[in-house]
Amino acid sequence: DGGITQSPKYLFRKEGQNVTLSCEQNLNHDAMYWYRQDPGQGLRLIYYSQIVNDFQKGDIAEGYSVSREKKESFPLTVTSAQKNPTAFYLCASSRVGGYEKLFFGSGTQLSVL
Amino acid sequence: ILNVEQSPQSLHVQEGDSTNFTCSFPSSNFYALHWYRWETAKSPEALFVMTLNGDEKKKGRISATLNTKEGYSYLYIKGSQPEDSATYLCAFIDSSNTGKLIFGQGTTLQVKP
Repeated sequence: DGGITQSPKYLFRKEGQNVTLSCEQNLNHDAMYWYRQDPGQGLRLIYYSQIVNDFQKGDIAEGYSVSREKKESFPLTVTSAQKNPTAFYLCASSRVGGYEKLFFGSGTQLSVL
Repeated sequence: ILNVEQSPQSLHVQEGDSTNFTCSFPSSNFYALHWYRWETAKSPEALFVMTLNGDEKKKGRISATLNTKEGYSYLYIKGSQPEDSATYLCAFIDSSNTGKLIFGQGTTLQVKP
């Protein structure tokens, strides 16, 4: 079945530690996105990529990094510079173009120990 | 950062009631508007992608309208059922950057049997 897979479902970070959230898709989509959700807030864009080896900052990129070495994969690293990392993280993919709907993963809940 | 507002923030209705909610977005540089439904413990799923002023889309008991000149879209649910309980998200795309979806904070609908 085609889809988008995020792992792990739950992740705990110690202070000063970098952690990486995985996002893999087999939908053959060129575009991939990372969003963050905090309670009572909408989805806020962290990073997005429309083609392999290229990505752009979203509205809240500080303290995060990404890579796009393969079409299928768009991992997100939450660095120690992100002082408030506790949130629900959603990955999505789509064909390129604003008329194309997004397909979402099931999300990763990141908490700080 | 472009502002996308949804109202109300939450809504409680009885089974069988019809309901509607609003997504407001900038009236300039419109490219597209997306609607998503996000049920608890599931991933968000696309409902509609709307691109033209005056667009009306329908999927079962759910329909949406679009007014790009005044910057709003309505989502209607006719004869609400408990399975319609979810958070409904809209996302705006500006023509200056069609790779970037800006989400509202969502409207959470609870339908009581």
